[in-house]
Amino acid sequence: QKEVEQNSGPLSVPEGAIASLNCTYSDRGSQSFFWYRQYSGKSPELIMSIYSNGDKEDGRFTAQLNKASQYVSLLIRDSQPSDSATYLCAVSRGQGGGNKLTFGTGTQLKVEL
Amino acid sequence: DAGITQSPRHKVTETGTPVTLRCHQTENHRYMYWYRQDPGHGLRLIHYSYGVKDTDKGEVSDGYSVSRSKTEDFLLTLESATSSQTSVYFCAISELSGTGKHEQYFGPGTRLTVT
Repeated sequence: QKEVEQNSGPLSVPEGAIASLNCTYSDRGSQSFFWYRQYSGKSPELIMSIYSNGDKEDGRFTAQLNKASQYVSLLIRDSQPSDSATYLCAVSRGQGGGNKLTFGTGTQLKVEL
Repeated sequence: DAGITQSPRHKVTETGTPVTLRCHQTENHRYMYWYRQDPGHGLRLIHYSYGVKDTDKGEVSDGYSVSRSKTEDFLLTLESATSSQTSVYFCAISELSGTGKHEQYFGPGTRLTVT
């Protein structure tokens, strides 16, 4: 079992729709959770971090965390073609100190006109 | 890229040669990391540093060594490059905030090919 699992996709959504990206993790000691966006040939870009159960909203992005179910998700509202990228889920045991991240392999999102 | 540069950006080298990749930051962050990214494996941590001269191994450290003699520079050395080390290498930096949050920011990457 991989430590952080994501559906590789591609996930195709029409422009203007809500894209829902999911991630499960195996380490119950995980405390910090991150979503990165990575365009082809580019470096990962941090878009959301979440540390406690519930929802966290930032613009068109909402991260949802459920530690009991070991599940974290990212919702993208009003999806745009520019959102087409690979989304990486990352988790860490540390909320402070050294923050070693374990990444999923990513979900490719395609937003279609 | 949050004040992070990597050099070189592209390199082709032969099997058995030593290779050093450099990560330089202007953010004065305490923590620095080296990852490699390969299809099907995602990003995997090679080594990290929690201060000058303080380093530790990550998930895939065999065949790699690191050094950090200054806050701003973190060097990754492939002691004797092998074809399995062909990959894209990313450096990341982070700092612990006053609220306890700890977010990593990535450099632009180095594409290394070992022939």
